[in-house]
Amino acid sequence: GAGVSQTPSNKVTEKGKYVELRCDPISGHTALYWYRQSLGQGPEFLIYFQGTGAADDSGLPNDRFFAVRPEGSVSTLKIQRTERGDSAVYLCASSSGIWNEQYFGPGTRLTVT
Amino acid sequence: KNEVEQSPQNLTAQEGEFITINCSYSVGISALHWLQQHPGGGIVSLFMLSSGKKKHGRLIATINIQEKHSSLHITASHPRDSAVYICAVALIQGAQKLVFGQGTRLTINP
Repeated sequence: GAGVSQTPSNKVTEKGKYVELRCDPISGHTALYWYRQSLGQGPEFLIYFQGTGAADDSGLPNDRFFAVRPEGSVSTLKIQRTERGDSAVYLCASSSGIWNEQYFGPGTRLTVT
Repeated sequence: KNEVEQSPQNLTAQEGEFITINCSYSVGISALHWLQQHPGGGIVSLFMLSSGKKKHGRLIATINIQEKHSSLHITASHPRDSAVYICAVALIQGAQKLVFGQGTRLTINP
């Protein structure tokens, strides 16, 4: 079956703009994770959903970042008033349960100019 | 100090060599993951383990819970093994959020 997909694959935006990044998890996976990977670094946790609810959003850097998963499948990561420091690859992963293997999407490369 | 430390950061070897990448962590974990990331960003899960040893093809992963240490071994390395290898731990407290190491960039020359 299909893996985790993310759109867009690349996004270039101007400083101060609003962006939305989308993640389609593997069908039936209840757990969904967002990570951010800056150049040359390992990924960092942002937020985790179990079903529709955000079970842990402790990794969101500030209130410009918000994520939703209204129907328990697709998730959208929203960034307001983007800053150059937000430039990174945003990775999504899903799993069939919190103790199971995570499957990663290809990522969205966000560049804020 | 990072909660997950990998060594070496960079490793270059000749085709056929036996490769070892190390991971040490300082927190309580429920599981440890080894991931592979090729240029372009895609991450593939290689292993998830909480004890002992796992083997898949030419890849072997071991973990010592008491010593808080894991190793990833590649036997008969090949240029297609060139990638960044990332160690990540699932914390014992809270959800299965992963804490990642910095990664080890492996280059296998023909």
